[in-house]
Amino acid sequence: DGGITQSPKYLFRKEGQNVTLSCEQNLNHDAMYWYRQDPGQGLRLIYYSQIVNDFQKGDIAEGYSVSREKKESFPLTVTSAQKNPTAFYLCASSQSLSGRASQETQYFGPGTRLLVL
Amino acid sequence: QKEVEQNSGPLSVPEGAIASLNCTYSDRVSQSFFWYRQYSGKSPELIMSIYSNGDKEDGRFTAQLNKASQYVSLLIRDSQPSDSATYLCAVGNSGYSTLTFGKGTMLLVSP
Repeated sequence: DGGITQSPKYLFRKEGQNVTLSCEQNLNHDAMYWYRQDPGQGLRLIYYSQIVNDFQKGDIAEGYSVSREKKESFPLTVTSAQKNPTAFYLCASSQSLSGRASQETQYFGPGTRLLVL
Repeated sequence: QKEVEQNSGPLSVPEGAIASLNCTYSDRVSQSFFWYRQYSGKSPELIMSIYSNGDKEDGRFTAQLNKASQYVSLLIRDSQPSDSATYLCAVGNSGYSTLTFGKGTMLLVSP
């Protein structure tokens, strides 16, 4: 049963606390992505990774960090430097980056909703 | 800054009608285009992808692409109340593996 899993479904963060969101995929996809969605807004790219042990900043990387130690996993840490972290966080993956446009299709996990206490 | 524009809606149509959703994009060299459907509180799910000018049909859905006008649309025939959702247009960023998303159009199909 292939797919993308994210955990937890809901996460509560206290002020000054770092929290980590999990994203795992068993689709054998090379590329993985993290997006943030605010109410009434589109998806904004936080970080993405094209290959293990390498990742690039997206449009809104400040206050976030990632790692890509395994092909299947791409965890996102929301640090205390992120002052407005309340949002819906979506992880996605795509097949490869061979330059073939048809392989760019991104598939999404179910998301994690982060709330600040 | 690459941009993808969509009307926020809501677009209201009666059951059985055709719903037409539109999207314009700023990057002239974009080669890949996607429509996602997002139900409230859920993650986006892919409806269709399109890469060449013209129409692409899949069941009740038709995607239309006009690269010269930098315009992509999604037609939903025989709209059903279950089609009520936000539809996100996404455009591939040429040379990268990333997508730029529009803010989405909310579609409401009334019985």
